[in-house]
Amino acid sequence: EVQLVESGGGSVQPGGSLRLSCAASGFTFSSYEMNWVRQAPGKGLEWVSYISRSGDTIYYADSLKGRTTLSRDNAKNSVYLRVNSLKAEDTAVYYCAREGLGATKYFDVWGRGTLVTVSS
Amino acid sequence: SYELTQPPSVSVSPGQTASITCSGDELGDKYACWYQQKPGQSPVLVIFEDVKRPSGIPERFSGSNSGNTATLTISGTQAMDEADYYCQAWDSSTRCEFGGGTKLTVL
Repeated sequence: EVQLVESGGGSVQPGGSLRLSCAASGFTFSSYEMNWVRQAPGKGLEWVSYISRSGDTIYYADSLKGRTTLSRDNAKNSVYLRVNSLKAEDTAVYYCAREGLGATKYFDVWGRGTLVTVSS
Repeated sequence: SYELTQPPSVSVSPGQTASITCSGDELGDKYACWYQQKPGQSPVLVIFEDVKRPSGIPERFSGSNSGNTATLTISGTQAMDEADYYCQAWDSSTRCEFGGGTKLTVL
């Protein structure tokens, strides 16, 4: 079964940091580009970051640029998102999403998400 | 930044056709896709590359994209289709955008 499982969420104080992990299974992880998408409580989807198959190309949304580091370990079938200087507005469910293999970029597999709560 | 605009809500009677629009500057020159999200669940891809359906998505879901508007059409809408729907496109190869989402009510 194709699966993505996020972990690492939790409660953190403003200014703190978190490292989120996404473990993939059921497919050849190294063949797929990966993304993170977040959703604040009661709000819409917001793209966070993208990483290429080899990890040598990474893009970030402007709202997190400079505070975020995305990486992957193809040997461990995992992708990692570190967010620093967390703010209240970073409170959200963070989803890991796999890009499909079609002509363009779309997310064909999503994890269940991990909740990050930033509060003092 | 590139913006995608969706109506906040759409209502449809069971068995009728629901259309959800997504507007963006020259959106027809890009590929659009659509996701369905039910309460408490992760998004599910229902349309990609404007018109394609992933395996397992019912045929009643279809898509189009031309000019400045992409449209998700649900024919013979069922109660199980009640959900939030999001369009998505890439502004460039480096920036992904989602629409604000449309709540589909089947009543």
